[in-house]
Amino acid sequence: ETGVTQTPRHLVMGMTNKKSLKCEQHLGHNAMYWYKQSAKKPLELMFVYNFKEQTENNSVPSRFSPECPNSSHLFLHLHTLQPEDSALYLCASSHDQGAGTEAFFGQGTRLTVV
Amino acid sequence: GEDVEQSLFLSVREGDSSVINCTYTDSSSTYLYWYKQEPGAGLQLLTYIFSNMDMKQDQRLTVLLNKKDKHLSLRIADTQTGDSAIYFCAEGSAVDYKLSFGAGTTVTVRA
Repeated sequence: ETGVTQTPRHLVMGMTNKKSLKCEQHLGHNAMYWYKQSAKKPLELMFVYNFKEQTENNSVPSRFSPECPNSSHLFLHLHTLQPEDSALYLCASSHDQGAGTEAFFGQGTRLTVV
Repeated sequence: GEDVEQSLFLSVREGDSSVINCTYTDSSSTYLYWYKQEPGAGLQLLTYIFSNMDMKQDQRLTVLLNKKDKHLSLRIADTQTGDSAIYFCAEGSAVDYKLSFGAGTTVTVRA
């Protein structure tokens, strides 16, 4: 148990659906992240929030829309996804974005787009 | 961008030592990390090394850093079945502190 909780654990959605992934941490961390994990590929950093402000958008398509209402919660809103978006989506948090800061990861949401 | 490369698979016999290798490109990296991902779980930090160190030992884990060659390795002594997992190498940029991960090495421990 890392203190970072993601829901749902598994999600199957059609290309025309709208769904949201949720991440929650009560570690008192100020920075939160979304990563995409695809088989045999490096983890891809998607978005970074620091003190609820988005500080990074790594050229992610607009069909992925993040939301950070407070420092404990992070959402990833999904709409009109493509089959190649199927992956494990990992949320992480860290105390801040400084060097040497440990990132704590959630268990991920396994997303399948059909 | 930063590239972190590691081999995808490693098979090791129980009780033997495992060595997982990683190369990176960002010479400004301040910290280099090893994360472990067990089946159905997120990544968990195993250990890290500061870029001005050559070696760090933590129980069964030994991290070696060759900064000149930008090569990082993780040695697991007396590998156990519970060590079966995916191991990710990551570097932390000194510029923006972003972590860049490799694709992960799947370690399979056989009896």
